[in-house]
Amino acid sequence: DGGITQSPKYLFRKEGQNVTLSCEQNLNHDAMYWYRQDPGQGLRLIYYSQIVNDFQKGDIAEGYSVSREKKESFPLTVTSAQKNPTAFYLCASSKGGTEDNEQFFGPGTRLTVL
Amino acid sequence: GDSVTQMEGPVTLSEEAFLTINCTYTATGYPSLFWYVQYPGEGLQLLLKATKADDKGSNKGFEATYRKETTSFHLEKGSVQVSDSAVYFCALSDQGGATNKLIFGTGTLLAVQP
Repeated sequence: DGGITQSPKYLFRKEGQNVTLSCEQNLNHDAMYWYRQDPGQGLRLIYYSQIVNDFQKGDIAEGYSVSREKKESFPLTVTSAQKNPTAFYLCASSKGGTEDNEQFFGPGTRLTVL
Repeated sequence: GDSVTQMEGPVTLSEEAFLTINCTYTATGYPSLFWYVQYPGEGLQLLLKATKADDKGSNKGFEATYRKETTSFHLEKGSVQVSDSAVYFCALSDQGGATNKLIFGTGTLLAVQP
């Protein structure tokens, strides 16, 4: 079955530590996205990538970093510079281009800072 | 910039009641419109979409019509079930550039009681 996987499902981090969230897709999609979800605030875009080896900042990129070395993988690193990292993180992918905007989502990673 | 406004929740209904969740948008172009559903602890799933004015998206008994004159995309279902309890997100595709970013509303929690 094609889809998007995220790991781990739950992640605990001590203050001052960097952590990396994994996102993998086997849908052969060009575009990938990272969102942050907080209660009552909907989804906010952190970073997105339209093609391998290229990515752009979203609305709340500060304190986060990404890489896109392979088409199927788009890991997100939450750095110690992110002051309030506790949230639910969602990865998504889409075919790319402007013809079909539908995004497919992974199951999410819940990050808690201890 | 483009934006999406959803009615605030929670919306609490009895089983078999009629559902309407209002969604209006602001956009400079002609975006595609989407409804996504999120069940507790999970990622988002596409519920339905419409790509041009007067299109009706439908799935699992849910419907929404793309109304350009009122810039609306209200979600409706004739008879809700307990299993429909979830958070519903309205979204539009960003037409501001050569990307396919989505802009989400804040989400509406639906609780259906037996």
